[in-house]
Amino acid sequence: NAGVTQTPKFQVLKTGQSMTLQCAQDMNHEYMSWYRQDPGMGLRLIHYSVGAGITDQGEVPNGYNVSRSTTEDFPLRLLSAAPSQTSVYFCASNQGYEQYFGPGTRLTVT
Amino acid sequence: GENVEQHPSTLSVQEGDSAVIKCTYSDSASNYFPWYKQELGKGPQLIIDIRSNVGEKKDQRIAVTLNKTAKHFSLHITETQPEDSAVYFCAASGGGADGLTFGKGTHLIIQP
Repeated sequence: NAGVTQTPKFQVLKTGQSMTLQCAQDMNHEYMSWYRQDPGMGLRLIHYSVGAGITDQGEVPNGYNVSRSTTEDFPLRLLSAAPSQTSVYFCASNQGYEQYFGPGTRLTVT
Repeated sequence: GENVEQHPSTLSVQEGDSAVIKCTYSDSASNYFPWYKQELGKGPQLIIDIRSNVGEKKDQRIAVTLNKTAKHFSLHITETQPEDSAVYFCAASGGGADGLTFGKGTHLIIQP
């Protein structure tokens, strides 16, 4: 199993551009989440999904959209990137308690 | 919502000594407390977790203790080795669909 995969690994955007961060898992997990990690802030929950077609907001959802059309995929969309969204983004999945994290996407918005 | 405080932010210990990292949480409904290790450029990896129905759990050199009354839990690493150098995060959750609320992390440095 590949576990949780994320693409791209690195991305540079200009303010106002849009992009989608991809996340996929091959463990047939019901739950998936997106976190952002900023220096000195730990990881903060952006959005999460409890199954295909069901998503909800986390602690810091503003500026991000998600959808879950399949069990495997959970993309994160930035509609109009801002410098405050410069961060490292991690996707995670779980079935029970234990969450498995992907390798992350480092995003810079100039 | 849940709030998790983690201390210290940096911990330097001599190789072979023990390291202790402490966390407190605010939501009495939380019942799952994992610890993650993050190496540079990688995603967090679960190293040990504990649920609220037990007070202590051990896995080789790593142990976690939980005091539900005081709402705090701790990570203990014994006989530290150079490969233990990393950033460690505690977290709390209600489990299942609930996301994790993380502490701000502890940078553990093992001095040779």
